[in-house]
Amino acid sequence: DAGVTQSPTHLIKTRGQQVTLRCSPKSGHDTVSWYQQALGQGPQFIFQYYEEEERQRGNFPDRFSGHQFPNYSSELNVNALLLGDSALYLCASSLALSNEQFFGPGTRLTVL
Amino acid sequence: AQKVTQAQTEISVVEKEDVTLDCVYETRDTTYYLFWYKQPPSGELVFLIRRNSFDEQNEISGRYSWNFQKSTSSFNFTITASQVVDSAVYFCALSEPAYSGAGSYQLTFGKGTKLSVIP
Repeated sequence: DAGVTQSPTHLIKTRGQQVTLRCSPKSGHDTVSWYQQALGQGPQFIFQYYEEEERQRGNFPDRFSGHQFPNYSSELNVNALLLGDSALYLCASSLALSNEQFFGPGTRLTVL
Repeated sequence: AQKVTQAQTEISVVEKEDVTLDCVYETRDTTYYLFWYKQPPSGELVFLIRRNSFDEQNEISGRYSWNFQKSTSSFNFTITASQVVDSAVYFCALSEPAYSGAGSYQLTFGKGTKLSVIP
């Protein structure tokens, strides 16, 4: 039983570019949440997808958008990258209405 | 709004010492959940424990124990007889029910405490 998987592992972009990160949830899970973890900080909630819709959103600008596919996998898109977007992006999956979230290994994004 | 404070940024202990990681939280809800996660250098968050707001019973799991005190809004984590493998960043987190329709809970994390266990 595969856990939460994320791709790519590492990514380097330049300011102004756009990036897409991918997440496959744990088998049987239907809800995907995304978190941003800046260096030396705790993860911060970006948004959550359930039934292919954004259900909850944290305090992040519209440059951050996402999508959930019928197979429950999800993408996080960030447009017009800023240096401050450099962080570890974590994906977590869960069952709807459950508080138990399983985290993936993360994608480390570096913006130069 | 929810808030989690981990006042200890870094802690260093010698192997076999006991160490307690502090966590203080703020929430306006009466129903909530508290968590501890471990993050080794690889980056993946490892779930350690979940506690709901109605269960103040302390819990022990091997060398790990947790002390939940609602009166002081604290959920502290103690490692007994620490080992080098315990070296990691530990996060305390809080979640409240998702009232905005279907979906799961969102977690609010503290800034983490970096624990270094020296051989």
